Amino acid sequence: AQTVTQSQPEMSVQEAETVTLSCTYDTSENNYYLFWYKQPPSRQMILVIRQEAYKQQNATENRFSVNFQKAAKSFSLKISDSQLGDTAMYFCAFMKGTSYGKLTFGQGTILTVHP
Amino acid sequence: GAGVSQSPSNKVTEKGKDVELRCDPISGHTALYWYRQSLGQGLEFLIYFQGNSAPDKSGLPSDRFSAERTGGSVSTLTIQRTQQEDSAVYLCASSRTSDLQFFGPGTRLTVL
Repeated sequence: AQTVTQSQPEMSVQEAETVTLSCTYDTSENNYYLFWYKQPPSRQMILVIRQEAYKQQNATENRFSVNFQKAAKSFSLKISDSQLGDTAMYFCAFMKGTSYGKLTFGQGTILTVHP
Repeated sequence: GAGVSQSPSNKVTEKGKDVELRCDPISGHTALYWYRQSLGQGLEFLIYFQGNSAPDKSGLPSDRFSAERTGGSVSTLTIQRTQQEDSAVYLCASSRTSDLQFFGPGTRLTVL
């Protein structure tokens, strides 16, 4: 079974600064996907970024980037130039690379961006 | 609408009653997933449907929980004889490809 661990229950950052959220996972699979989802107070889960395990290059989406260390089973999210709208719960998630399947989520990190 | 929709947005029920939660996936999405988000257990997978294949029910916590998907589109999650520990936010997601799931706004269920 896969497990996903987010060791930071809460984080805070000043507007315009950079913050990194940590995620580690455990799996015996070689083919899988990793995701970061954002959940603002509206409850809507929003996909932030996705990484395919077979790709060595770290994924980036505008101000969001990941540091994917496959050997260490680490998948951290870096948010640059933090904005007030980034305030949300962030979930790291794992999916086996088979055709369709469930997401396994970490416990989540509450990020607060202060003006 | 363009996104996944769920109804009702909030549901309050009494212990022992049955409830039905509805999910309308994005048009054209062949896979549909149900998850539960609770304070004690975090985000848990419940069940998923993919096309005409048998659903993966491995996450359903008890036989009081069931789900169906009619016509490959709308899905209903039914909880029979609700208990207080069933109180949670129930999230539905759909996907067209195997790796990208799009979530609805969830239904908050409160069992008194």
